[in-house]
Amino acid sequence: AQTVTQSQPEMSVQEAETVTLSCTYDTSENNYYLFWYKQPPSRQMILVIRQEAYKQQNATENRFSVNFQKAAKSFSLKISDSQLGDTAMYFCAFMKRANAGGTSYGKLTFGQGTILTVHP
Amino acid sequence: DAGITQSPRYKITETGRQVTLMCHQTWSHSYMFWYRQDLGHGLRLIYYSAAADITDKGEVPDGYVVSRSKTENFPLTLESATRSQTSVYFCASRRDSIADTQYFGPGTRLTVL
Repeated sequence: AQTVTQSQPEMSVQEAETVTLSCTYDTSENNYYLFWYKQPPSRQMILVIRQEAYKQQNATENRFSVNFQKAAKSFSLKISDSQLGDTAMYFCAFMKRANAGGTSYGKLTFGQGTILTVHP
Repeated sequence: DAGITQSPRYKITETGRQVTLMCHQTWSHSYMFWYRQDLGHGLRLIYYSAAADITDKGEVPDGYVVSRSKTENFPLTLESATRSQTSVYFCASRRDSIADTQYFGPGTRLTVL
């Protein structure tokens, strides 16, 4: 079974500064996806960024980037130029990718979440 | 484009009552999921469905029942609600490929008194 751990229950950052959210995971799988989801006060779950484990290059989406360390099983999210609208709970999630000839229904395993507050 | 919707958005019920949470998606996605969100646990999978009439258990299925007679609907029923089922419930869907994004509904906040 996979586990995902987010060790920072809460973080805060000043507007325009950079913040990094931590995530570690435990798995015996070699092929998988990792995700960061954002949940603002509206409760809507929004995909921020995703990383495929077989890709060495770190994923980037505008101000959001990840530091994926496969050997260390670490997957941190860096938010640059933080904005007030980034205030939300952030979840790290893991999904096993099916092996060749196999199937996987795509269950997401989530961490406990990190509440990020951006201060003006 | 409505996407994925859930109803009701808020529900208060009493212990022992039956409650059904509705989920509807307009994309004809094959896969649908039910998660519950609790403080300190993130989201946990209750049930999932790979297609109409195909469902299976997730991590925390006890006390819940699902059905999927039509591709677009995936209702979740609490047959006899308990206080421990007070939670926020999310429905999600995605297309066939595991590489596709899983899209979430807006959630239903359920309180069991």
